Amino acid sequence: GAGVSQTPSNKVTEKGKYVELRCDPISGHTALYWYRQSLGQGPEFLIYFQGTGAADDSGLPNDRFFAVRPEGSVSTLKIQRTERGDSAVYLCASSLEGQTEAFFGQGTRLTVV
Amino acid sequence: KQEVTQIPAALSVPEGENLVLNCSFTDSAIYNLQWFRQDPGKGLTSLLLIQSSQREQTSGRLNASLDKSSGRSTLYIAASQPGDSATYLCAVISDYKLSFGAGTTVTVRA
Repeated sequence: GAGVSQTPSNKVTEKGKYVELRCDPISGHTALYWYRQSLGQGPEFLIYFQGTGAADDSGLPNDRFFAVRPEGSVSTLKIQRTERGDSAVYLCASSLEGQTEAFFGQGTRLTVV
Repeated sequence: KQEVTQIPAALSVPEGENLVLNCSFTDSAIYNLQWFRQDPGKGLTSLLLIQSSQREQTSGRLNASLDKSSGRSTLYIAASQPGDSATYLCAVISDYKLSFGAGTTVTVRA
């Protein structure tokens, strides 16, 4: 695709519910990243995929968070038993293999009420 | 752990003035440094990428410098316009990970 696409753009959910956030990277980009941005802060690293495998998931805050990329393209970030503190903008980025320049999507604004 | 700081947190200037945005980082072992622009409620738009071996990078009215040894980068925006109003984020790249500052929010007054 022309750019990184994230859906939905906005998601409001009730505390305790399960949510899935989708990221469709730029075609041909093998590296995919998830970041989380709280209000007034810079994005914080969550997880990095190289191909289908999670090469680094050290930024996931706890075991309620999980991400997959089964075919090496689209990725889904899954959050179980959501809490109000999970409210943030979730950003996805992709890059070419061996390249460090990252291209970001528009983000998904998650609000847990 | 890499710490990235951006000063000032906010900046307001009249149209036409040059902008100087500062970014500092604690660990000089970086691959690259990238400057982004973020409009309210939007994602990040890449402005400039400086390779670790470079001292500066230019694109139109934008110029970014990098001094790895002192852990600093500066983004210059010449002849600012109201359309430049946004939050500017710098990110240092170590391995594959980006470490971001909190950003500088710029307002250019017409």
